[in-house]
Formats: sequence, C-alpha cells, structure tokens
Amino acid sequence: DAKTTQPTSMDCAEGRAANLPCNHSTISGNEYVYWYRQIHSQGPQYIIHGLKNNETNEMASLIITEDRKSSTLILPHATLRDTAVYYCIVTKTSYDKVIFGPGTSLSVIP
Amino acid sequence: EAGVTQFPSHSVIEKGQTVTLRCDPISGHDNLYWYRRVMGKEIKFLLHFVKESKQDESGMPNNRFLAERTGGTYSTLKVQPAELEDSGVYFCASSQVREKLFFGSGTQLSVL
Repeated sequence: DAKTTQPTSMDCAEGRAANLPCNHSTISGNEYVYWYRQIHSQGPQYIIHGLKNNETNEMASLIITEDRKSSTLILPHATLRDTAVYYCIVTKTSYDKVIFGPGTSLSVIP
Repeated sequence: EAGVTQFPSHSVIEKGQTVTLRCDPISGHDNLYWYRRVMGKEIKFLLHFVKESKQDESGMPNNRFLAERTGGTYSTLKVQPAELEDSGVYFCASSQVREKLFFGSGTQLSVL
C-alpha cells in the first residue's frame, strides 16, 4: 500500500471549515483514499473514501487532485466534537488490512 | 443495528496471568480484524479473519497471543502469559464488503 504524509497537528475555529491535507504521491491506479478518525478513547470511525472523483457524505467531503497524488478532507462546519486524530489511508478495496499511520491531531477551538 | 461489541471494556491483570478478550462483530460480517494501540504509539494491525479462517496474522506480536473465531461468529484474543508491554487498547473491527471497517469501543488492558 502507498505511504501517506499528513501534518502532525492542526487547529480550527469552531464553525469554520477544517481542511486536512494528505499526500500520497506513490498511490497506484487501483488504490483508494480512505479517511478514518479516532475521537479520544473511542474506536476509530470511518469518514469517507474515494478513488479519483470528489466525494461527499453527511460527515465530510473528500477532494482528490487530478493526478491523485494528494487529497483534502473537508469538515464543512467543525464543532468541538470533531476534535480527534484523523487518518488518511491508501489501500486497495479488497480484504487487505487497513494500516494506520500517525495521522493529524485536529483541535477545534471555541 | 447493533455495532461491534467488545468486552470487557477494561481489564487489569498481573504479569504472568491470562486474559481473554472477546469481540462480537456486526451480524453477517465475514471479516473481523484485531488492532492494538499501545500508549504513545500508532494503532497497529494484529490479524484478520475471513469467517473462521485467519487471512493475515502478520501483526501478531508473538506466540503468547492466540486468536480464534469459532464458527465464524465472535472472536477471542487470549494473551498467555501477559507481559507488561502487552498493556494498551485492543480494538476489534468488522466489515462485510471491505469498503469500510466498523470498530468497537475497545478493551483497555493494563498489565501490572
């Protein structure tokens, strides 16, 4: 699976959009970009995933660049409950294991 | 729909004792995964079941860890004998078609 690079930490003001970047320059054609998050002391939670088109669901939007070498997770109106560690993961949609890196620690500030 | 259930939520044992963690996946999910997070470290994959078969156990630390999934339903992870470095949070996840994993709340294991 391709390696991802994320900033260690970010801050975001409550009510504003949180934009979390992820670099995955070695991604291959059949690999998807997944985002999970872990709110303190809870189990990881799936957010969204995509292949090459932008995706949106009730939680977030995923913007993938045309060359697929990077992506951005957007939380449109961040709340205090969005404070968590966010993980960008690249993997094939198969039965392969999901490998977590260090992620980005997002702090939403009142 | 019930989510992934893990118990106990917390377990405190002494070094050398045995502990068994249990995971009940979402009904109908063939894939079951175990992960562990040691304090200050990243979430680490331990192993993956497809139904009752071990698909990938490359992350199991050593032979003190034994995972089973009888009948392809719930799974247990036994640590025998437990060591201090086994302390951490053990997460279980399940999925059907592997588009997303559903995680349980974890078992906090403390080995004293």
